[in-house]
Amino acid sequence: KQEVTQIPAALSVPEGENLVLNCSFTDSAIYNLQWFRQDPGKGLTSLLLIQSSQREQTSGRLNASLDKSSGRSTLYIAASQPGDSATYLCAFLSGSARQLTFGSGTQLTVLP
Amino acid sequence: SQTIHQWPATLVQPVGSPLSLECTVEGTSNPNLYWYRQAAGRGLQLLFYSVGIGQISSEVPQNLSASRPQDRQFILSSKKLLLSDSGFYLCAWSVRSGIGNEQYFGPGTRLTVT
Repeated sequence: KQEVTQIPAALSVPEGENLVLNCSFTDSAIYNLQWFRQDPGKGLTSLLLIQSSQREQTSGRLNASLDKSSGRSTLYIAASQPGDSATYLCAFLSGSARQLTFGSGTQLTVLP
Repeated sequence: SQTIHQWPATLVQPVGSPLSLECTVEGTSNPNLYWYRQAAGRGLQLLFYSVGIGQISSEVPQNLSASRPQDRQFILSSKKLLLSDSGFYLCAWSVRSGIGNEQYFGPGTRLTVT
């Protein structure tokens, strides 16, 4: 069964810093991974999708990488802004199931 | 463009009462549909998914049920709510063809069972 771990659980940084959020998984037979953003009391917003054949995806100040051999994914946020404050979730679609398996999230606070 | 709607946005129900949450998708046809629950202090858990009208798969045993009466409508129901049913319920959709498609989530319904 796929297990997903996100570290750290919470992170507080000053505005302008570059930061990395980590996600690890146990089942290397994945189809893709998605990084989501969740604001308090809101639904999930998809940020980036990486297919299993890809190593990274970029969107604006965000860059997500995937290393299946080590069972890791990272989300890099450049030049962080207070508006980036939210909970970031990673999720994997594994080969043996149709559903996404989610990590517990990293709560990011960017201080002005 | 595709949009996904959920209602109600918030709901407070007593223990033992029935439940009906609705999700509809616009701008696409034949989607896969999903119900997730996010309980306090816990991650998102898939409850049900559907690949077509009347086709429902359950991922966890519970007192909830799901139905898909129309192609773009997904309903989550219960005959008698439990305190443990409280949580944030999210509906999602993905393109049906192929594997590994991106999932898109609705705004969610906050359910409090008292």
